[in-house]
Amino acid sequence: DTEVTQTPKHLVMGMTNKKSLKCEQHMGHRAMYWYKQKAKKPPELMFVYSYEKLSINESVPSRFSPECPNSSLLNLHLHALQPEDSALYLCASSPNQYEQYFGPGTRLTVT
Amino acid sequence: GQQVMQIPQYQHVQEGEDFTTYCNSSTTLSNIQWYKQRPGGHPVFLIQLVKSGEVKKQKRLTFQFGEAKKNSSLHITATQTTDVGTYFCAGARGSQGNLIFGKGTKLSVKP
Repeated sequence: DTEVTQTPKHLVMGMTNKKSLKCEQHMGHRAMYWYKQKAKKPPELMFVYSYEKLSINESVPSRFSPECPNSSLLNLHLHALQPEDSALYLCASSPNQYEQYFGPGTRLTVT
Repeated sequence: GQQVMQIPQYQHVQEGEDFTTYCNSSTTLSNIQWYKQRPGGHPVFLIQLVKSGEVKKQKRLTFQFGEAKKNSSLHITATQTTDVGTYFCAGARGSQGNLIFGKGTKLSVKP
């Protein structure tokens, strides 16, 4: 298995909802990442997990809460989001903290 | 803070013409990576350059890393319609794979 999978593909949520994004990889990669990408912009790093521990939080608001239950899974819990949080959320993994392999993303719309 | 500048922002070419995108970093990079994102898709890793002055080729794509490890370029010879997409360079900001992406160059190819 040489891919990163993400669910759901699309998500529409209200500002009072709680939802979760899921990411999975079975390549044995020990580093996993969450990125946010707005239209026509580059990906912006949100969080880095290394060996299942959070190693980098790029000053992300607390309404985004990452979780790494095991070495294959990465979740992003969402609560009380704002319309400006609407974006493509990308998960990536890396075997060596260099090249990164991205999932297809979850397109999030906050209403 | 560290920045990675990428030019041009857009490039429109006729099929068969060459294409080049350039990246410049404000600081020395330990490595630079290149990604391609097709419209509606996710970033796909193309290559990583590590050594000063390094040149790598992938079929019609040639990647260069500057001697000072502050700049890089991607050159595509004889573009094809399948080359359409946005090309991002990304510099490593630390040792944990925390990449900083350039703004990308969007390539369109007219058949």
